[in-house]
Amino acid sequence: RKEVEQDPGPFNVPEGATVAFNCTYSNSASQSFFWYRQDCRKEPKLLMSVYSSGNEDGRFTAQLNRASQYISLLIRDSKLSDSATYLCVVQGYSSASKIIFGSGTRLSIRP
Amino acid sequence: DTAVSQTPKYLVTQMGNDKSIKCEQNLGHDTMYWYKQDSKKFLKIMFSYNNKELIINETVPNRFSPKSPDKAHLNLHINSLELGDSAVYFCASSQVGGGSSYEQYFGPGTRLTVT
Repeated sequence: RKEVEQDPGPFNVPEGATVAFNCTYSNSASQSFFWYRQDCRKEPKLLMSVYSSGNEDGRFTAQLNRASQYISLLIRDSKLSDSATYLCVVQGYSSASKIIFGSGTRLSIRP
Repeated sequence: DTAVSQTPKYLVTQMGNDKSIKCEQNLGHDTMYWYKQDSKKFLKIMFSYNNKELIINETVPNRFSPKSPDKAHLNLHINSLELGDSAVYFCASSQVGGGSSYEQYFGPGTRLTVT
């Protein structure tokens, strides 16, 4: 089993739709969780951290389910500019812990 | 104002050569990283330095040698380049602790092509 797994997609949805991605992780000791987005031929950019209680930033909502070892990202009212690859990131307890990026989920929003 | 900068942006070189990539961050962060993103877009950490000290060293050939002259710089030197080294190399930085939860900021990447 991969340490961090994501559905590679692509997800192709119409503008205005709601779309959700999941990311599963294998190490139950993982402590820090993030969602990044990466546009084609660009660097990854932090979208949001994922907190135990769940968190929301505008149209984006992130959730953590420790029992089932997955994190999720929900995008509401999707825009054309949301088209990108979404990477989930999992890290252990300390700065010396492994940092693992998922392979990414490609999202394409169509007009 | 570029937060994390890398030079060069593109690097084309022949097998067997030695090359360096430089990275600088002006965010005042104490931790810096090197990542490799291969043709399948899989992003994998190579090294991490905290306050100039190596703290993460993944299974990377010892032809790759990072050097951190100070907290704001982390350079990557690659000896005897091989075809399989062709990839995009990203530098990143973060502030460990203080509630920032290791959020990382990436440089624009260096696209290395070995011929």
